[in-house]
Amino acid sequence: TQLLEQSPQFLSIQEGENLTVYCNSSSVFSSLQWYRQEPGEGPVLLVTVVTGGEVKKLKRLTFQFGDARKDSSLHITAAQPGDTGLYLCAGLGLNEKLTFGTGTRLTIIP
Amino acid sequence: DVKVTQSSRYLVKRTGEKVFLECVQDMDHENMFWYRQDPGLGLRLIYFSYDVKMKEKGDIPEGYSVSREKKERFSLILESASTNQTSMYLCASTSGAFDTEAFFGQGTRLTVV
Repeated sequence: TQLLEQSPQFLSIQEGENLTVYCNSSSVFSSLQWYRQEPGEGPVLLVTVVTGGEVKKLKRLTFQFGDARKDSSLHITAAQPGDTGLYLCAGLGLNEKLTFGTGTRLTIIP
Repeated sequence: DVKVTQSSRYLVKRTGEKVFLECVQDMDHENMFWYRQDPGLGLRLIYFSYDVKMKEKGDIPEGYSVSREKKERFSLILESASTNQTSMYLCASTSGAFDTEAFFGQGTRLTVV
């Protein structure tokens, strides 16, 4: 079983603060994705990282794939209430199996 | 607009009933997945299928089976529902490329009483 552990599980911060969410595994993945899920909806893709060490930016969100392709981080700068949601990382295995992390529930307080 | 459609948003079933959850995608995707989502556990993979009539066990297949007779449809079957199968069930599909995006249905919240 390929396990993806996310930390922290819950995070509640004030608007304007910065934060980092981590996604760790002992397994190597072909690619790693980050999704955000709103209540009552399925997860929606934010980004895919493929190369070890890769960094991608999406406005105030910065995603990094670890050099060994086993871990990833999501950094949000100047968090806003609209960033509130459940963030999920997902690793794609060589057999096309898509494994999701345990999730981080983020709340931004205005 | 691409779409993954799950047949029911909410279901209430009795213990011991046979339950069918249906999922249809209109993107001609090769791969389809069934997950269950429980608080603090993220999405756990039950089964996935990479081709018609092909299936692979995920991380928690016990108590479940699946059927994929047509490319666009992937069914999850609870042979004899139990209360510990009360959960949110999510279906997803991907094209099979290594950087593929997973498209999800809106989920079925199943309660077994």
